[in-house]
Amino acid sequence: DVKVTQSSRYLVKRTGEKVFLECVQDMDHENMFWYRQDPGLGLRLIYFSYDVKMKEKGDIPEGYSVSREKKERFSLILESASTNQTSMYLCASSLYSSGGSTDTQYFGPGTRLTVL
Amino acid sequence: AQSVTQLGSHVSVSEGALVLLRCNYSSSVPPYLFWYVQYPNQGLQLLLKYTSAATLVKGINGFEAEFKKSETSFHLTKPSAHMSDAAEYFCAVRGQGSGNTGKLIFGQGTTLQVKP
Repeated sequence: DVKVTQSSRYLVKRTGEKVFLECVQDMDHENMFWYRQDPGLGLRLIYFSYDVKMKEKGDIPEGYSVSREKKERFSLILESASTNQTSMYLCASSLYSSGGSTDTQYFGPGTRLTVL
Repeated sequence: AQSVTQLGSHVSVSEGALVLLRCNYSSSVPPYLFWYVQYPNQGLQLLLKYTSAATLVKGINGFEAEFKKSETSFHLTKPSAHMSDAAEYFCAVRGQGSGNTGKLIFGQGTTLQVKP
């Protein structure tokens, strides 16, 4: 069965703290994604990675960085957390796509981050 | 640039009634389109996807969607709503120029409420 796990379901941090969100997939997928989800805004792509050590900015990368040292693990880093980064963070993965048929993204359960 | 618009942030139906969730897309290339569902406190799960084969796509849990190029629409329907269908639904289009990365662009989401 397909599995994407995220290190925490709920996280509370203070302004200025460095925050690590971890995502692990067991499907040998090449592509991995980090989104944030806010009411009325849908899912917005923060960063994605299509291979180990490769990354590309998404639509809202400011204030975030990522790390992909191993194929199965993709980390999202908030260098200095701020209150406007309070949100639900979703990780996803998908196979290398030679067309549309393999673009299904598989999602983790999400991490609800609160920054005080 | 590609985009997705979901008409109606909230839809309420009675149990047993028709479910219709609207999605319109903008794309200068033949699109790949997806519907995802998010149950409370969970990640997103694929309902169905259109990848230029049949225009009427059947998905899980009795849902289906019809691709209409002339209307640039991909509306989601279900003949008879169940209480268990209450969730948030997201329409998505594969990003133009996403190559093999499978990058998706999501709509704002529609919350479906099912009344007894």
